[in-house]
Amino acid sequence: EVQLVESGGGLVKPGGSLRLSCAASGFTFSSYSMNWVRQAPGKGLEWVSSISSSSSYIYYADSVKGRFTISRDNAKNSLYLQMNSLRAEDTAVYYCARDTGRVWGQGTLVTVSS
Amino acid sequence: DIQMTQSPSSLSASVGDRVTITCQASQDISNYLNWYQQKPGKAPKLLIYDASNLETGVPSRFSGSGSGTDFTFTISSLQPEDIATYYCQQYDNLLLFGPGTKVDIK
Repeated sequence: EVQLVESGGGLVKPGGSLRLSCAASGFTFSSYSMNWVRQAPGKGLEWVSSISSSSSYIYYADSVKGRFTISRDNAKNSLYLQMNSLRAEDTAVYYCARDTGRVWGQGTLVTVSS
Repeated sequence: DIQMTQSPSSLSASVGDRVTITCQASQDISNYLNWYQQKPGKAPKLLIYDASNLETGVPSRFSGSGSGTDFTFTISSLQPEDIATYYCQQYDNLLLFGPGTKVDIK
């Protein structure tokens, strides 16, 4: 079964850091680009970052550029999002999604609050 | 940058009604478009990919059409379980989502 499972969310203070993980199974992870997408409470879906299959190409939304870092470990079938300098407006459910959006995880909630 | 618009932002319809949602891209995205259904507290569920292809296991009352800049999503006969928010999403250049259409029962 093709599956993505996010973890690492939680409550963090403004200015703090958090690292999200996404574990992939059921497909050849190293062949696909991967994405992080977030959804703030009561809001729509917002693309956050993308990474190509070999990590050669990396892209970020302007809202997170310079604060978030996407990475992957193809040997571990895992995708990561290092989030630094977190702000209240980063509060959201964070989803990992495969390439064009054909496969999504269940999401992990990040809450930034003092 | 590509912009995605979606209309209407919300609609109410009766069970059995035909429901249509439109999505427009600010530039040609060929057929690189997905449609998702999202229920509260759940991850988006892919319904339509490549603008018009029904994802495996999705009921045939859902359909999509269009190419280039103008796309349409249709529920041929609205069912109570279709109450959700629907999003279009382009993947011609990274991922970008429409603002969503909230569908409920009249």
